Amino acid sequence: ETGVTQTPRHLVMGMTNKKSLKCEQHLGHNAMYWYKQSAKKPLELMFVYNFKEQTENNSVPSRFSPECPNSSHLFLHLHTLQPEDSALYLCASSQGQDYSNQPQHFGDGTRLSIL
Amino acid sequence: SQQGEEDPQALSIQEGENATMNCSYKTSINNLQWYRQNSGRGLVHLILIRSNEREKHSGRLRVTLDTSKKSSSLLITASRAADTASYFCATVEYNNNDMRFGAGTRLTVKP
Repeated sequence: ETGVTQTPRHLVMGMTNKKSLKCEQHLGHNAMYWYKQSAKKPLELMFVYNFKEQTENNSVPSRFSPECPNSSHLFLHLHTLQPEDSALYLCASSQGQDYSNQPQHFGDGTRLSIL
Repeated sequence: SQQGEEDPQALSIQEGENATMNCSYKTSINNLQWYRQNSGRGLVHLILIRSNEREKHSGRLRVTLDTSKKSSSLLITASRAADTASYFCATVEYNNNDMRFGAGTRLTVKP
């Protein structure tokens, strides 16, 4: 149990569907992250939220839309995805104002498959 | 974009042996972190070493950092089958809050 829970664990969707990934952390952290992990590629940082404010958006296509209603919850809304978006999506959280100097705690991810 | 590069890409050893993984990076860093990932699971933080530190220990893990060579190593002593996993280094660049991961080293420890 890492303290970071992601749902669903697996998701299969068509390219025209709309779905959402959910992440919840029970660690009292202030910063939350979305990463994409594709086969044989390094982990890619997608979005960073610190105290509910988005601080990073690494040129992610607009078909991915993050939402952070509070410091404990993070969503990733998906629409009109492409086959190359199939990957493991990982959520993480970390503590403190200086979040880049803190270890990150990861959930077990959502395995997303686009048909 | 990738910052750290792990070497080797894959490593297979017998239980009880030591495992050494290396990480090289390109730019000045604030800190470097090592993570472990078991198959089908998320990443687990192992050690964070800051740019002004040269060595850190945690149990059977030893991490070194050489900022002049822009490299780090992770040593696992007296390995166990349960250490089988992928190991990633991640760097936080100086003046940039983003953490960049390498592609990882796949470690297999045979019982």
